Amino acid sequence: GQSLEQPSEVTAVEGAIVQINCTYQTSGFYGLSWYQQHDGGAPTFLSYNALDGLEETGRFSSFLSRSDSYGYLLLQELQMKDSASYFCAPNTNAGKSTFGDGTTLTVKP
Amino acid sequence: DTAVSQTPKYLVTQMGNDKSIKCEQNLGHDTMYWYKQDSKKFLKIMFSYNNKELIINETVPNRFSPKSPDKAHLNLHINSLELGDSAVYFCASSTTAYEQYFGPGTRLTVT
Repeated sequence: GQSLEQPSEVTAVEGAIVQINCTYQTSGFYGLSWYQQHDGGAPTFLSYNALDGLEETGRFSSFLSRSDSYGYLLLQELQMKDSASYFCAPNTNAGKSTFGDGTTLTVKP
Repeated sequence: DTAVSQTPKYLVTQMGNDKSIKCEQNLGHDTMYWYKQDSKKFLKIMFSYNNKELIINETVPNRFSPKSPDKAHLNLHINSLELGDSAVYFCASSTTAYEQYFGPGTRLTVT
């Protein structure tokens, strides 16, 4: 079957580091994408991992372990503007991405 | 120079009515999608078109009918609207499935 798990909520303080985990079970798994969505806004693409390992894009990094069906998004030097929902989205060789419920990150002063 | 646009942004209508949402992208992408996001933020794919051809059709009531007149446009028509259809509907487009560009969303409220 297919499943996707992320924590529903995470809270951290400004300047801290936070890790949002994602475990998935997806037939025809191809890679793992991450998206950010601010309240009232549209999801925007953050990063993509097709291979195992860490991908770094500025303050954000994303990690994938295909053998563990696991990935995470690491946000460093948190800023208030990082308060948003974060979705991991496994995508398949059939051209489909699954989004789920996402993780709501609250950054406090 | 909006990349993915949707109209209308808000739609309030009564149960039983029929309504349409329009989407256009100027990114030159071959693939377009419709997603539904409910009040709990669950984002679920409904349909996907590639070069005007339907390639993904999730378990969606047949009251929902997508139409793609050309690869830059994907419209969603909903018949006999129900209370449970209230949600935000997002259109997206992409060249690759892993990097999708979303429109601003259409907030549909059925009363």
